[in-house]
This record gives sequence, structure tokens and C-alpha cells, in this order.
Amino acid sequence: KQEVTQIPAALSVPEGENLVLNCSFTDSAIYNLQWFRQDPGKGLTSLLLIQSSQREQTSGRLNASLDKSSGRSTLYIAASQPGDSATYLCAVSGWGKLQFGAGTQVVVTP
Amino acid sequence: GAVVSQHPSWVICKSGTSVKIECRSLDFQATTMFWYRQFPKQSLMLMATSNEGSKATYEQGVEKDKFLINHASLTLSTLTVTSAHPEDSSFYICSAPTGKDYGYTFGSGTRLTVV
Repeated sequence: KQEVTQIPAALSVPEGENLVLNCSFTDSAIYNLQWFRQDPGKGLTSLLLIQSSQREQTSGRLNASLDKSSGRSTLYIAASQPGDSATYLCAVSGWGKLQFGAGTQVVVTP
Repeated sequence: GAVVSQHPSWVICKSGTSVKIECRSLDFQATTMFWYRQFPKQSLMLMATSNEGSKATYEQGVEKDKFLINHASLTLSTLTVTSAHPEDSSFYICSAPTGKDYGYTFGSGTRLTVV
């Protein structure tokens, strides 16, 4: 059974600092890995999608890496802004289902 | 890009009544729709998977007679919470796969409060 773990559970940083969010998964037989952002009381917004054959994806200030053999992915957010405050979820896709981690709650203080 | 429209965004209902939540794929055909529920400060829990034209598949522990799922067309899937009770109060979100390169797209969620 696939298990997805996100560390840390919560993170508070001052504005301008870089964010590093970690995601690990137990079964390397994944189709892809997706990072999402969720604002309080809202749905999920897709940030980055990494196919199992890829090592990283970048979009603006966001960069996500994937090491399938070790079961790890890292989301980097450069030069954090207060607007980056949200919960970040990683999810792995395999066998037709999406398995989520518990999320990392991020607070960026001005 | 692929968009899933979910309605209503919030609903308050009396205990014992039923509530229907709709998810529509606006610019693509969703042959499959996933339904999740999320409790405060917790991650998403998959409830069931619906496929157009066939019966939904429910995850272990989810009551199929309480959470009725219908996927009658390629653009519409509905979740009906029957005889709702306060313990059914939660955040419900739908999601559809959008193809190999695009992963999954999610609805905006429905906050259900049963009083």
C-alpha cells in the first residue's frame, strides 16, 4: 500500500526566505507526482506535475524535483511572499488512484 | 486548461435531509470522477470513483447507500448525501484525470454543514 509522507507538517518563514517542502512515498511504481496548493476552505490548485520519467519541473519561482528510486520529491519556492501562505499537498499517481500526503502548512510573515 | 466546476460551494442543511453536489467538466470529457472528503486540518480521503455509465466504486468503510454517486454523462457527476447527519459535515471535493500530461484537476470544493 502506497504511503505518502510530508515533512514538515507546518512551516513559518519570513518573507524573502526560500521554502523547502519534502514529500516521500513508499512505492516507487508511480505514474507521476503532483504538487498542489490549497487555500483555507478552497479546492486544490495544481502547481507542478512531474512524470515518473522526469527529474524535475519548474514554473516561475517554483521548482520540484523527483527521485523515484529513493521515493522522494522536494518542492522549492524561491523568495517567498506572504501570498505563498497556504497548505501544500503532494500526491502520487499509481494504479489509477491519487494518494495524498497530509500536507505542509506554510505561513510567510511580512 | 481543464476545468471542473463544482456546486454548490457551501450548503447548510437540516439533519435527515439530502444534499446533492454537482461536478461538471467544462472543457473536457471526464470519463472518471473521484470524490474526496476532507476534515479540518487533514488531507483528502478518497471516498469513491465514478465512471460514466457504470456503478461507482466505493472505498472501504464508505457507505454506498449514504453517499450516492451518479455519473450519467461525460461532463457531469453528482454526489448525493442522503439522510445527512452532523457527522457528515465536511468538505467534499471532486477531481478528474485530464490525461497523461496534465494529472488531475480539482473542483473548488463544497462545504457541507448539517445542523
